[in-house]
Amino acid sequence: RKEVEQDPGPFNVPEGATVAFNCTYSNSASQSFFWYRQDCRKEPKLLMSVYSSGNEDGRFTAQLNRASQYISLLIRDSKLSDSATYLCVVNTPGTYKYIFGTGTRLKVLA
Amino acid sequence: DADVTQTPRNRITKTGKRIMLECSQTKGHDRMYWYRQDPGLGLQLIYYSFDVKDINKGEISDGYSVSRQAQAKFSLSLESAIPNQTALYFCATSDSRDNYNEQFFGPGTRLTVL
Repeated sequence: RKEVEQDPGPFNVPEGATVAFNCTYSNSASQSFFWYRQDCRKEPKLLMSVYSSGNEDGRFTAQLNRASQYISLLIRDSKLSDSATYLCVVNTPGTYKYIFGTGTRLKVLA
Repeated sequence: DADVTQTPRNRITKTGKRIMLECSQTKGHDRMYWYRQDPGLGLQLIYYSFDVKDINKGEISDGYSVSRQAQAKFSLSLESAIPNQTALYFCATSDSRDNYNEQFFGPGTRLTVL
């Protein structure tokens, strides 16, 4: 089993739709969780860290479910500019290891 | 100005050549990392450095070496480049004082080995 798993997609959604991605992780000791956005051939950019109680930043909401070992990202009112690959990243504090998922590709259609 | 910069941004070289990729940061972070990304794969860690005197191998260090010249600079070398080192290379930084250990990436170097 991979340490971090994501559905590769693509998720094709119309503008204005709500879309959600999940990411599962295997190491129960993991403490830090992140969603990054990566545009084609560009660097990953931090979208949001995922806090234990869940957190929201504008149209984006991240949730953590420790019992089932997954994190989720919800995007409301999708924009064309949201089209990108979304990377799930998991880290155990005090270690060097950031485990990257292979990403979920989102296409928002006009 | 970008907080994490990488040079060169693109490089085409031949098998057997020595190549150096450079990374600089103005974020004041103590930790720096080198990753490579291949199509359809997650980022793979090559080397990481928690401070100037601390350098460690990552998952795929064979064929690579690094130098941490200063807190702000971390270079990656390919001593004798081979075609399967063709990839997108990213430098990243993080701050050990940050409770959440967020990483920040440079713009990447696209390397092609012929």
